[in-house]
Amino acid sequence: GIQVEQSPPDLILQEGANSTLRCNFSDSVNNLQWFHQNPWGQLINLFYIPSGTKQNGRLSATTVATERYSLLYISSSQTTDSGVYFCAPLYASGNTPLVFGKGTRLSVIA
Amino acid sequence: DTGVSQNPRHKITKRGQNVTFRCDPISEHNRLYWYRQTLGQGPEFLTYFQNEAQLEKSRLLSDRFSAERPKGSFSTLEIQRTEQGDSAMYLCASSRTGGYTEAFFGQGTRLTVV
Repeated sequence: GIQVEQSPPDLILQEGANSTLRCNFSDSVNNLQWFHQNPWGQLINLFYIPSGTKQNGRLSATTVATERYSLLYISSSQTTDSGVYFCAPLYASGNTPLVFGKGTRLSVIA
Repeated sequence: DTGVSQNPRHKITKRGQNVTFRCDPISEHNRLYWYRQTLGQGPEFLTYFQNEAQLEKSRLLSDRFSAERPKGSFSTLEIQRTEQGDSAMYLCASSRTGGYTEAFFGQGTRLTVV
C-alpha cells in the first residue's frame, strides 16, 4: 500500500533553534501538503508543494519528487511552533486522496 | 469567513445511539473529504465526494457509517449504533479538482462515545 513516513517522530527544541522535518513517500505524487495541527486539533495549511522550494517567513519546504521526499525547515523556532506537523501526498495513481503520515510532534521550550 | 465549517464541534453520545455530523465546504470546491483521527495518529481517510458522487470509500468505513452529499454542497456523516471505538476526531476537507488541488480542513468534530 501507499506509505508515508515522517521523521523524527518527536522533537524537542530550545526556543531559537532550527530544525528539519522529513517526509518520505512511496510513489509518484501530483501534490504534497504540509500541515500544522494546533492544540485544538485543527489542521493549518503550511505549504502546497508538489515540487521545488517555497518559503513563508521562518518556514520553508522543499519537495524532490523524483527522489520521493519532502523537507520542512523551521528556523528560529518559537513556542507557538509547538504541535504536530503532518505531510500528506496526493498520489498520481487513481483517485487516492491525501494520505497522511503519523506526523512529527514538535515541542519548543522557552 | 469562507473556510470549511463543521458542526457540531463536540459530541458526547451513549453507546448504541446514532450521531450525524455536518460539513460545509468552501463554496467553489467540488471535492469533499472525510477523515478520522485517533489520539497519536495521523488522519485516516474515510470517504470522498466529487460533487454529489461518492467516489471512494475506505475499508475503515463499516456499514454503520454512511455519508451523503445530496446537492453537491454540504455533506453529512452518520454513524449508527455507535461504539466506544468510534470515539475520535472527525475531520472534513474540501478542494477543487483540476490543476490546483490544495485541500483545506475544517475544525473537526470530536466524538466521545460513553
